[in-house]
Amino acid sequence: DTGVSQDPRHKITKRGQNVTFRCDPISEHNRLYWYRQTLGQGPEFLTYFQNEAQLEKSRLLSDRFSAERPKGSFSTLEIQRTEQGDSAMYLCASSLGTSGSEQYFGPGTRLTVT
Amino acid sequence: GDSVTQMEGPVTLSEEAFLTINCTYTATGYPSLFWYVQYPGEGLQLLLKATKADDKGSNKGFEATYRKETTSFHLEKGSVQVSDSAVYFCALSDFGAGSYQLTFGKGTKLSVIP
Repeated sequence: DTGVSQDPRHKITKRGQNVTFRCDPISEHNRLYWYRQTLGQGPEFLTYFQNEAQLEKSRLLSDRFSAERPKGSFSTLEIQRTEQGDSAMYLCASSLGTSGSEQYFGPGTRLTVT
Repeated sequence: GDSVTQMEGPVTLSEEAFLTINCTYTATGYPSLFWYVQYPGEGLQLLLKATKADDKGSNKGFEATYRKETTSFHLEKGSVQVSDSAVYFCALSDFGAGSYQLTFGKGTKLSVIP
């Protein structure tokens, strides 16, 4: 299967620790997106890359959050000094570079901050 | 900013019942509209989409029509099955405004009982 993959699937960390998540998009997709989903809510957009360039960032992406996509392939999302409010499912999606193309979602990384 | 409002759940139906999940939107531009589905334990999957007024998206017996005059994109299915039990999300993307992010509603959980 060559869908979007995310690692790890689950992460439990203590408040104040740093965490990093990885997303591997579908290989021919040049757009990559990060979303956050809390219980009972729809996913909320965090940031978007076209190739290696980060083109859009939500105001939800505080300065404790940083995302990279070196060489336009996989992406990482790092959260520094985690807070309990960061507990959520972090979703990655990818799409082709054409307008209106479908976003394909990965299974998500569930973060629990204790 | 853009927003999506969908009917509150959960919705419980008997097998073969008719399903309607209401969705209305607010957008500054001329958005594309989507329904995504999340089956238990799985990632988000695109169910159907429509990119212009009066377009009807359809898939797996589900349909939704883009109504610009009422800013709505209601999801319907004539006869639901137990396997349709999932959370359904209405979403929009305002590609015309240069934004590739998806804006989601809160989701509607559907349970279909035999």
